[in-house]
Amino acid sequence: AQSVAQPEDQVNVAEGNPLTVKCTYSVSGNPYLFWYVQYPNRGLQFLLKYITGDNLVKGSYGFEAEFNKSQTSFHLKKPSALVSDSALYFCAVRVTTSGTYKYIFGTGTRLKVLA
Amino acid sequence: DAGVIQSPRHEVTEMGQEVTLRCKPISGHNSLFWYRQTMMRGLELLIYFNNNVPIDDSGMPEDRFSAKMPNASFSTLKIQPSEPRDSAVYFCASRTGNQETQYFGPGTRLLVL
Repeated sequence: AQSVAQPEDQVNVAEGNPLTVKCTYSVSGNPYLFWYVQYPNRGLQFLLKYITGDNLVKGSYGFEAEFNKSQTSFHLKKPSALVSDSALYFCAVRVTTSGTYKYIFGTGTRLKVLA
Repeated sequence: DAGVIQSPRHEVTEMGQEVTLRCKPISGHNSLFWYRQTMMRGLELLIYFNNNVPIDDSGMPEDRFSAKMPNASFSTLKIQPSEPRDSAVYFCASRTGNQETQYFGPGTRLLVL
């Protein structure tokens, strides 16, 4: 079955330290991969996406993600975390089924950046 | 640009009542998605439309749920009759046909008592 997984419910990191939020996927064909962020009482906001090209994708707010085909991963990273990065992060993948496509979101990882 | 607009932002109703959630996508976007977010199940796609036509409604929980998109600038998600287990945050999102990025509305927080 096509799916996306975020193995960590929560990630804690000290301000100024690098952060990684993990995502793995299982899709048929070439994956379209996304990261979204959700702040409290808000809708999801797009951070970055990978469709093709360079495996390292740079997005909003200093975030980046690396597409690793052999490990079927698309981990979100930032070199230096800010307290304001604390939020809920979702990985998503576009899957194709019976000629149509839809987006499947992971369960989310809560990032807590400690001052 | 006003972004995706959803109304109401909060809704409290009693079991058995009809609930209608509304969404206005970003102008020019031709795909619209309805999602439901709960603590237990995370973010689930309910239905999506391309050019006002429903493409995939396999995520709609049951017949009590229905969605319409009468024109490119308006969509509704209706629950009739509502049940306590329908309590969730319902998000609408839109995108253009040649972009993969979805733009989410602020959500409607529904509480069914």
